[in-house]
Amino acid sequence: GENVEQHPSTLSVQEGDSAVIKCTYSDSASNYFPWYKQELGKRPQLIIDIRSNVGEKKDQRIAVTLNKTAKHFSLHITETQPEDSAVYFCAASEDYSGSARQLTFGSGTQLTVLP
Amino acid sequence: DTGVSQNPRHKITKRGQNVTFRCDPISEHNRLYWYRQTLGQGPEFLTYFQNEAQLEKSRLLSDRFSAERPKGSFSTLEIQRTEQGDSAMYLCASSPTDLWTTGELFFGEGSRLTVL
Repeated sequence: GENVEQHPSTLSVQEGDSAVIKCTYSDSASNYFPWYKQELGKRPQLIIDIRSNVGEKKDQRIAVTLNKTAKHFSLHITETQPEDSAVYFCAASEDYSGSARQLTFGSGTQLTVLP
Repeated sequence: DTGVSQNPRHKITKRGQNVTFRCDPISEHNRLYWYRQTLGQGPEFLTYFQNEAQLEKSRLLSDRFSAERPKGSFSTLEIQRTEQGDSAMYLCASSPTDLWTTGELFFGEGSRLTVL
């Protein structure tokens, strides 16, 4: 089955700096890669996702890059703000017509943005 | 609130007791998922339903775990003869069948189980 490794496990940055979180996956059949943000005591929420037919996707201060050959993908947050502080999870799954979201998650990165 | 609703939010039980958690998905979503999250880890997929049909259950952790969605609306997750290792957050999520236009899983706030 799929195995997703995520690092670093903790990351502290100064407000305004950039943060990068990296994940690798093992199953070449995976082609859908979401990132979820989980604030303390709250539910995980999707912040961005990418499918394997594209190499990069941006949404305001957040971007995700995918290297399918190397089986790794990364989350980039620019101009970090204190409200970006949370645990971020990467995940992977197959994605085809009729497929369900049987996601394999990484172990999470605790991001702390220092004011 | 039209999001995914779970209850109870917290359950403390003694080892060997049975517990049941309920999930009410977003009303127009056909698919319902159960995940488990232990401290410091990402959610772990357990099972999912398409309407009332349980289409994947091989990832349930043991035969003590079972889930139902009898009328294709709310779902229950039951753990029989609880063990201390079952202590975790049990997350429910829902999604539409068509995941191509939006791939998002909508999670509930979770039900936290503590087994003493």
